[in-house]
Amino acid sequence: GENVEQHPSTLSVQEGDSAVIKCTYSDSASNYFPWYKQELGKGPQLIIDIRSNVGEKKDQRIAVTLNKTAKHFSLHITETQPEDSAVYFCAARSGGRGSYIPTFGRGTSLIVHP
Amino acid sequence: KAGVTQTPRYLIKTRGQQVTLSCSPISGHRSVSWYQQTPGQGLQFLFEYFSETQRNKGNFPGRFSGRQFSNSRSEMNVSTLELGDSALYLCASSLDGTVRGSSYNEQFFGPGTRLTVL
Repeated sequence: GENVEQHPSTLSVQEGDSAVIKCTYSDSASNYFPWYKQELGKGPQLIIDIRSNVGEKKDQRIAVTLNKTAKHFSLHITETQPEDSAVYFCAARSGGRGSYIPTFGRGTSLIVHP
Repeated sequence: KAGVTQTPRYLIKTRGQQVTLSCSPISGHRSVSWYQQTPGQGLQFLFEYFSETQRNKGNFPGRFSGRQFSNSRSEMNVSTLELGDSALYLCASSLDGTVRGSSYNEQFFGPGTRLTVL
């Protein structure tokens, strides 16, 4: 089955700095890579996703890059703000009916210091 | 549109008891997945229901079971609770329809049920 490794487990930055979280996956059939943000006491919320036919996607201060050859993808947050502090999860998923259950990374706790 | 709701939000049980958790998906969503989240193991997939049928199952013992009703609401049950079952149980719903002709289905998570087993 799919295996997703996520690093680092904790990331501490100053407000205004950039933050990068990296994930690797093992199944070359995976073609959908969502990123989730989980705030304390809440369920994970999808913040951005990328499909395997795209190398990069950006949404305001958040961007995700995908390298299919190396089987890794990354989340980039620029101009971090204290409200970005949360746990971030990457996931990888194969497309198609019956096989689209994502495999999650272990999470990265991002702390943005004011 | 209302989000995914889970009840109860918090539960305290003792070893050996059983528990039932409930999940109401977003209106129109037909797929409901359940996950167990713990600090040590992260987010682990339990099972997924679609049109009242279990479509996918993770690697959990038979003490963990679920079902889905005709209105897509889902319940999961854990029997003979163990201390290690203490966790946040998350439910996620997705459309899983063919309206857009895509098999990629965004999952929307509920806030979870925090289960503590004493």
